Amino acid sequence: RKEVEQDPGPFNVPEGATVAFNCTYSNSASQSFFWYRQDCRKEPKLLMSVYSSGNEDGRFTAQLNRASQYISLLIRDSKLSDSATYLCVVRDTGGFKTIFGAGTRLFVKA
Amino acid sequence: EAGVVQSPRYKIIEKKQPVAFWCNPISGHNTLYWYRQNLGQGPELLIRYENEEAVDDSQLPKDRFSAERLKGVDSTLKIQPAELGDSAVYLCASSLIGGMGTDTQYFGPGTRLTVL
Repeated sequence: RKEVEQDPGPFNVPEGATVAFNCTYSNSASQSFFWYRQDCRKEPKLLMSVYSSGNEDGRFTAQLNRASQYISLLIRDSKLSDSATYLCVVRDTGGFKTIFGAGTRLFVKA
Repeated sequence: EAGVVQSPRYKIIEKKQPVAFWCNPISGHNTLYWYRQNLGQGPELLIRYENEEAVDDSQLPKDRFSAERLKGVDSTLKIQPAELGDSAVYLCASSLIGGMGTDTQYFGPGTRLTVL
């Protein structure tokens, strides 16, 4: 079993739709969680951190469920510019071991 | 503020040849990471430096890969000899580890290596 697992997609959604991605992790000692965005042939860029209480940044909402060991990303009112690969990132404490998921591809269509 | 700089951006070599990648992190960042990203996969950590010390190189194939971070700033990743399976994008990232141990990793544009 991979340490961090994501549905690779692709998710094909129309503009304005709401779409959600989940990511599961296997190490219960994981402490920090992030969503990164990666455009085609570009480097990953931090989209948002994921806090225990959940957090929202504009159209994006991230949530953490420690009991079930998954994090989620919700995108509301999808834009064409949201088309990208979304990478789930999990990090433990102490060793700062960082594990990236393989990513979920999103295509937003006009 | 300048971001993470990497060079070259692209490299095509024949198998068994050596290759080197260079990374200049964001000024003031004490932690530097080298990742390898294969097509359709997420980045996989090769090595992490805190200042000039390699604190995690468990995923670095030490028979052919080497890295250094002299003076705790720039870093070089080398492959010698390269194999066909080394074709990938090599990403460098840097971060500033704070007192609480939190950090955001900022990535460079990567070096796309093709081994023929």
